Amino acid sequence: GNSVTQMEGPVTLSEEAFLTINCTYTATGYPSLFWYVQYPGEGLQLLLKATKADDKGSNKGFEATYRKETTSFHLEKGSVQVSDSAVYFCALTSSGNTPLVFGKGTRLSVIA
Amino acid sequence: GAVVSQHPSWVICKSGTSVKIECRSLDFQATTMFWYRQFPKQSLMLMATSNEGSKATYEQGVEKDKFLINHASLTLSTLTVTSAHPEDSSFYICSARAGLGDYGYTFGSGTRLTVV
Repeated sequence: GNSVTQMEGPVTLSEEAFLTINCTYTATGYPSLFWYVQYPGEGLQLLLKATKADDKGSNKGFEATYRKETTSFHLEKGSVQVSDSAVYFCALTSSGNTPLVFGKGTRLSVIA
Repeated sequence: GAVVSQHPSWVICKSGTSVKIECRSLDFQATTMFWYRQFPKQSLMLMATSNEGSKATYEQGVEKDKFLINHASLTLSTLTVTSAHPEDSSFYICSARAGLGDYGYTFGSGTRLTVV
């Protein structure tokens, strides 16, 4: 079945540091890939997505590229801010109306 | 954009009572809604898939008699935790696909249930 593996946290960075959160997946066919962010006590918000190989999703300075050859979708940001502190989830779906499969989440803490 | 409104955002109830959580799609019709449960510092676990006008499909290990799901209209799905016990305390989140061609899933803001 489909699965997502992402690096375990917590990750603690200083403000303006470079961020990478690794995500790899196992899936049949050509899944769509997502990154979601969860702030404390809140639901999930879509951060970015990519629906086919070599697509790059980007939003709020975050980027991730769909790499089919390495089955990866690593999240990157060049300069993190304190306000980026949250839990980040990598997810995938194989078809339009099936539920998302999530990784375990990576907690990011950015300190000033 | 597509919005899913989830209520209540938090609830405290006594053991043995039942709690109903509602999720409404505000500006789109959600033929399918997904219910997740999240334990502290853990990922989201899919509980069930709710289809408008038919019975929900539950994931293995989820008690359908305990977690009653009703999807009576295209804009409303409810999850009722029956005879709640402290081990049911958790964060429950619903999600719906807004019918976008690029698989746009929208999440409710979640409900934190505490059973005392």
